[in-house]
Amino acid sequence: QMQLQESGPGLVKPSATLSLTCTVSGGSMSPYYWNWIRQPPGKGLEWIGNIYDSGSTNYNPSLKSRVTISLDTSKNQFSLNLSSVTAADTALYFCARAGGYGSPFRYWGQGTLVTVSS
Amino acid sequence: QSALTQPASVSGSPGQSVTISCTGTNSDVGTYNFVSWYQQHPGKAPKLIIYEGTKRPSGVSNRFSGSKSENTASLTISGLQAEDEAAYYCSSYAPISTYVFGTGTKVTVL
Repeated sequence: QMQLQESGPGLVKPSATLSLTCTVSGGSMSPYYWNWIRQPPGKGLEWIGNIYDSGSTNYNPSLKSRVTISLDTSKNQFSLNLSSVTAADTALYFCARAGGYGSPFRYWGQGTLVTVSS
Repeated sequence: QSALTQPASVSGSPGQSVTISCTGTNSDVGTYNFVSWYQQHPGKAPKLIIYEGTKRPSGVSNRFSGSKSENTASLTISGLQAEDEAAYYCSSYAPISTYVFGTGTKVTVL
């Protein structure tokens, strides 16, 4: 059974870089799109971006200048870096798997809360 | 890339049907047949309940059904049950290989 697990610091200082890792187990990383999605407390979902097993990436235009998603298939992991964070980046961050073109997010991690505060 | 528009809340009594709308534009919902719906209980990860507008994943109750007309997709929950009380989000594939979510709808079972 496919499982995803987010990990990383729960507290990040303003202007710093938020870094999270998603570890995938129970299946191959190919040929899928690996996504990051976030949810501010009490608010809705926002797609951040994804990476394909080839390494190609797609990002939300509103976050593109600050986001980098990378992949390490040898460790069955993919990662999110979000730079220059502010309090508005405080959210529950989920990783999720999608299939091919236009595919839905079928598998999700449980989410990890990241708070931006000094 | 603006969020898809959903009603903030809908409610119904057990056994009734409720419908949630999801309005986008001719750049997302109106162009792609890749609308999906997710159910999220408090403190939990979202769960896929409808994909490609009308299809149900294995194991999802047939009380959930989806449809689409032009720029608006809809999710109908038939035979409302207490366990259906949750937040529901639509999502659509969008230009330049991106995704956009809806604003979310809280379903209350009276």
